[in-house]
Amino acid sequence: ETGVTQSPTHLIKTRGQQVTLRCSSQSGHNTVSWYQQALGQGPQFIFQYYREEENGRGNFPPRFSGLQFPNYSSELNVNALELDDSALYLCASSLRLAGGLWGETQYFGPGTRLLVL
Amino acid sequence: GDSVTQMEGPVTLSEEAFLTINCTYTATGYPSLFWYVQYPGEGLQLLLKATKADDKGSNKGFEATYRKETTSFHLEKGSVQVSDSAVYFCSLLSRANSKLTFGKGITLSVRP
Repeated sequence: ETGVTQSPTHLIKTRGQQVTLRCSSQSGHNTVSWYQQALGQGPQFIFQYYREEENGRGNFPPRFSGLQFPNYSSELNVNALELDDSALYLCASSLRLAGGLWGETQYFGPGTRLLVL
Repeated sequence: GDSVTQMEGPVTLSEEAFLTINCTYTATGYPSLFWYVQYPGEGLQLLLKATKADDKGSNKGFEATYRKETTSFHLEKGSVQVSDSAVYFCSLLSRANSKLTFGKGITLSVRP
């Protein structure tokens, strides 16, 4: 069974640039969630994708956007980068069964560490 | 909204000491509860979980019981090892929106 993978592992950008982070979900999973973890803090929910559609969003501005592909992999895009966007970005995958209730266990990837200068 | 409160850290213990890390939560409905662990430079690893009241999650000697009456999910281990040194996060998963809400995390250091 393949776990959650993310790329790249590290990234350095300058203010105003755009960035794309990638995530491959664990085999058999169909739902991907993205979290931002600032240094010394707990992760904060950005958004979740299920069946290629956004299914819930946290308190993040529209310049944070995402995609989910038919193979359930996902991208997180951030436009107009700000210094405060420097953080560890974590992707988590889970399996939601058709007709099932929300509440599935989420498994995390190793994260992408983004530094904005 | 949902929230998770963890005890203030950091915590430093000697090897083989008893560990308790307190966690309380506020949520609508009946969330699932989790403890995740983060080793330096890594992502989050699921340590244990409980999905309903009075459930006990356990893994690698760690235990936590879902206490609905006190809205708590305290983490315990009878004898810690140096390899347990990490950051521990308590979290809840809302059944309404499948969103994980985390506490601030607590750093545990275990000295030989």
